[in-house]
Amino acid sequence: SQTIHQWPATLVQPVGSPLSLECTVEGTSNPNLYWYRQAAGRGLQLLFYSVGIGQISSEVPQNLSASRPQDRQFILSSKKLLLSDSGFYLCAWSSQGAGEAFFGQGTRLTVV
Amino acid sequence: KQEVTQIPAALSVPEGENLVLNCSFTDSAIYNLQWFRQDPGKGLTSLLLIQSSQREQTSGRLNASLDKSSGRSTLYIAASQPGDSATYLCAVDSSGSRLTFGEGTQLTVNP
Repeated sequence: SQTIHQWPATLVQPVGSPLSLECTVEGTSNPNLYWYRQAAGRGLQLLFYSVGIGQISSEVPQNLSASRPQDRQFILSSKKLLLSDSGFYLCAWSSQGAGEAFFGQGTRLTVV
Repeated sequence: KQEVTQIPAALSVPEGENLVLNCSFTDSAIYNLQWFRQDPGKGLTSLLLIQSSQREQTSGRLNASLDKSSGRSTLYIAASQPGDSATYLCAVDSSGSRLTFGEGTQLTVNP
């Protein structure tokens, strides 16, 4: 069966520090991969999605970047965090072609 | 641009009641619609996926319907339980590769 791992679960980082959140998927190949952000009490905003290794689409201009170095690995990064980067970050995957989406447990990022 | 709206934003019901959550979307050209559950501080759990060619899907006490022409979906929860308390999110895939989410309905089932 397929599983998705996302870590860390919580993170407190100072303004201006770098960020690296990692997500891996097991039990499937060539998945679509996604990074979402959820502000408190709000819906999910799509940040990046990838349909293959090295293929990244950005939905919202921002201080973050994403990379997909391997088929089932998706990384969210920042060189210098801003206070506004605080939020709940969720990684997700789906099979190619409008498949069901499955989410990780999320990372609570607080920038101080 | 696809927009998804969920009504009501919050709902409180006594245990045992049947209830309906509503989701509407502006662009009827969709691939599928998915309902999720989110517990506080947790990720999303997929509940039901309805493909664009389907009218409804059922899983246990949950039944989701889809009316593409009117841009609406409903999630019906039968015989609600306190453990059903969570935020329920509706999401639409209009592109074949990414979802647009509603803001969710926060459900509280009181014992």
